[in-house]
Formats: sequence, structure tokens, C-alpha cells
Amino acid sequence: EDQVTQSPEALRLQEGESSSLNCSYTVSGLRGLFWYRQDPGKGPEFLFTLYSAGEEKEKERLKATLTKKESFLHITAPKPEDSATYLCAVRGRSYAGGTSYGKLTFGQGTILTVHP
Amino acid sequence: DGGITQSPKYLFRKEGQNVTLSCEQNLNHDAMYWYRQDPGQGLRLIYYSQIVNDFQKGDIAEGYSVSREKKESFPLTVTSAQKNPTAFYLCASSTLRTVGAYGYTFGSGTRLTVV
Repeated sequence: EDQVTQSPEALRLQEGESSSLNCSYTVSGLRGLFWYRQDPGKGPEFLFTLYSAGEEKEKERLKATLTKKESFLHITAPKPEDSATYLCAVRGRSYAGGTSYGKLTFGQGTILTVHP
Repeated sequence: DGGITQSPKYLFRKEGQNVTLSCEQNLNHDAMYWYRQDPGQGLRLIYYSQIVNDFQKGDIAEGYSVSREKKESFPLTVTSAQKNPTAFYLCASSTLRTVGAYGYTFGSGTRLTVV
């Protein structure tokens, strides 16, 4: 069974104070690790997909990295508008009735608050 | 613009009452999913459907029911058998092609509260 654990559960930063969020995972045959951003009362929005160890993706102040056991979301010089819940999910090799389908397993999320 | 529409945004249920949450997508996606989100527990899969007239139970299906009569629509009914239905419900969709690229497209959610 695929499992995803995110840490910390909550993170408070001052504006400009860089930090990292962790996503540890176990999966049978990784077919993608996904990062999403979720604002309060809204659905998650896609940020990054990583497929193999050593891969990195960047978008503005965010950088996602991947190893064989975990992924990090690095936030450089964060701003208050970066405050949100960040979700990590993995897609493994899942089969139902002989047909592969796209089941994602999610972590519990990290609530990031950036104070001005 | 294509997307997923969930309605209503807020829903209040009385004890013993069944309620139905709507989910409609115009993305031409084959697969649709329902997740429940509780504080500190992340997203838990309730039901999913890969094709019309077929659906499968997820990890927490007890007390819920679904139908998939049209490709665009995947309504979720929260029955009176669900003892703790207060939560944020998210609908999502994907194709086997897009799921590898970016996972799911999500709706904006429905917050259900028992009164």
C-alpha cells in the first residue's frame, strides 16, 4: 500500500525566511510525485510533478526536489501570499481489474503561514 | 474554459437526512473521484469511476453512494448511515494521459455541516 507522510504539520515563517517542507513516501513503482497548493475553502492547484530521483522543478520562489524516499519543497524568501496548505501525492503502479488507473495517495499536508 | 464545477459550496444536513453533492466536468476526462478532507488527515478517497456506469469503492466508502450515468457527472450522496459527515468534499477528474502529467484537476469543494 502506498503511503505519504508530510512534515511538519504546520510551519510559521517570517517574510523572507527560507525553509523546506518534507514529503516522505513509500510506493510500489513510482509513476509520479505531485505537489499541490491549496488555499482555504478551495480545491488544490497543481504545482509540480517529479518522476525520478535527482529531478528538480522550480517556479518563482518554490523549488521541488526528489530522492528515492522523499521530496522537498524549498521556499526561498517567502511572501505572505505563499501562505497556504501544501499537499504531496504519489502515483504508484495500481491496477484494478487488470487496467491501470490513476489513483493518487495524498499526505496530510503542511499548513504554511508567512508573516509580514 | 474547461473545469470542474461543484455545487453547492456550502451544505447543511439534518440528522438522518440524505444529501447529494453535485460534480460536473467539461474536460472530457474519463475518470472522476470523490475525496473527503478533514483537518490533519489529508485527502481520503471515497469513490472513483473510470468509465460511465462503473465505479469502485475507495478507502472510506461506507455511508456514501455514487452514480455515473454520464461522463460529465459524478454526484455523491451522503446517506444517513454516514455517522460523521461534517467535512470538506472534493471532486476531481483525470484521464490516463493527464494523470501522469499533473495528477488530478480539482473542483472548488463543498463544505458539508451537520446541524
